[in-house]
Amino acid sequence: NAGVTQTPKFQVLKTGQSMTLQCAQDMNHNSMYWYRQDPGMGLRLIYYSASEGTTDKGEVPNGYNVSRLNKREFSLRLESAAPSQTSVYFCASSESGGYSYEQYFGPGTRLTVT
Amino acid sequence: DQQVKQNSPSLSVQEGRISILNCDYTNSMFDYFLWYKKYPAEGPTFLISISSIKDKNEDGRFTVFLNKSAKHLSLHIVPSQPGDSAVYFCAALKNSGYALNFGKGTSLLVTP
Repeated sequence: NAGVTQTPKFQVLKTGQSMTLQCAQDMNHNSMYWYRQDPGMGLRLIYYSASEGTTDKGEVPNGYNVSRLNKREFSLRLESAAPSQTSVYFCASSESGGYSYEQYFGPGTRLTVT
Repeated sequence: DQQVKQNSPSLSVQEGRISILNCDYTNSMFDYFLWYKKYPAEGPTFLISISSIKDKNEDGRFTVFLNKSAKHLSLHIVPSQPGDSAVYFCAALKNSGYALNFGKGTSLLVTP
């Protein structure tokens, strides 16, 4: 039981390049999330998927797209990377929304855009 | 606009003593509060939570207190241990909501 896994762990991109961050969970959770953490900041929600087939914007969605591929997998795509997207990206999952359901986080992807 | 604030970036405590981490929030729609703990190069892990209908929740060495009128919560760790050294994030949630609103975190160092 691996919990939430993310690939890659590290990535360096040049400005304008594209990439997809992968996330998978094996806990049969309905809801999945993408957060970013910048130095000295808390985590901020980029997008979330309340259930398979749905996605919604969070606090900082600009410059990102997401795909809920199936119940297990939720990917985050940067179409044209910018230096402002240099950050650590965390994927999380929970059984559902609301306070009854703890969010479990993956180990993060450290992305640098030069 | 930061709706959840942790005004102390760091805290140093001796082993065996009490650690008190503080958190303030501005949005009165929040009704559930959580503390997450984060070690370097790892994702945050859930520590303890409290609903707005309570003023205290305990789990072993960890206790969270909520003062709703002051929009303030605190995490007490007693006794503190070196393994507690980590960054602690306060987070808030609206009931039936999905988005955790995080503070900037407090880095706790417990010295032997």
